[in-house]
Amino acid sequence: EAGVVQSPRYKIIEKKQPVAFWCNPISGHNTLYWYRQNLGQGPELLIRYENEEAVDDSQLPKDRFSAERLKGVDSTLKIQPAELGDSAVYLCASGTDYGYTFGSGTRLTVV
Amino acid sequence: GQSLEQPSEVTAVEGAIVQINCTYQTSGFYGLSWYQQHDGGAPTFLSYNALDGLEETGRFSSFLSRSDSYGYLLLQELQMKDSASYFCAVRKGRRALTFGSGTRLQVQP
Repeated sequence: EAGVVQSPRYKIIEKKQPVAFWCNPISGHNTLYWYRQNLGQGPELLIRYENEEAVDDSQLPKDRFSAERLKGVDSTLKIQPAELGDSAVYLCASGTDYGYTFGSGTRLTVV
Repeated sequence: GQSLEQPSEVTAVEGAIVQINCTYQTSGFYGLSWYQQHDGGAPTFLSYNALDGLEETGRFSSFLSRSDSYGYLLLQELQMKDSASYFCAVRKGRRALTFGSGTRLQVQP
């Protein structure tokens, strides 16, 4: 079966521009996570979905970040406007409480 | 809040055994997970411990002591391909995993 699919793999944008990342989780996985990983650090949670409901978005910077998971399947994470400090790898994961499967991530560079 | 501590770097030689420690502070602890991440790759699940004791999966083993808020990942018969970053992560109730900062393992020939 296909794993967690993310696109694009890489993205370079100028600051103040918008950007969006897409994630398709493993079929049948109701729980979806967006994490951000800075260089040399562990992943940090941005938002968790149970089906189409965002059940934990306490760490999502809501002034510039938004996310949606229509129909409880694939998900989109958006940043508008992007700042230099948003440069990081954005990881999507799906799975159970015991183990996650991560996608390959989107490496965002803001210049 | 939650905090996890693990060494930033560990170096070992091929064929040896290495232990990566993780201490955590969190309320409502449910379990400790370990993930491996090669440079440029995605984190991949290695193990999950909810109960005290040792869990073995091939060359990798993971240990948990809930009373000591401590766990470790043990890698035996090290291979060059084991060079990667290793993250411990705590599960608190139904909340998403909280990851440590990672331990970079370098295996030398």
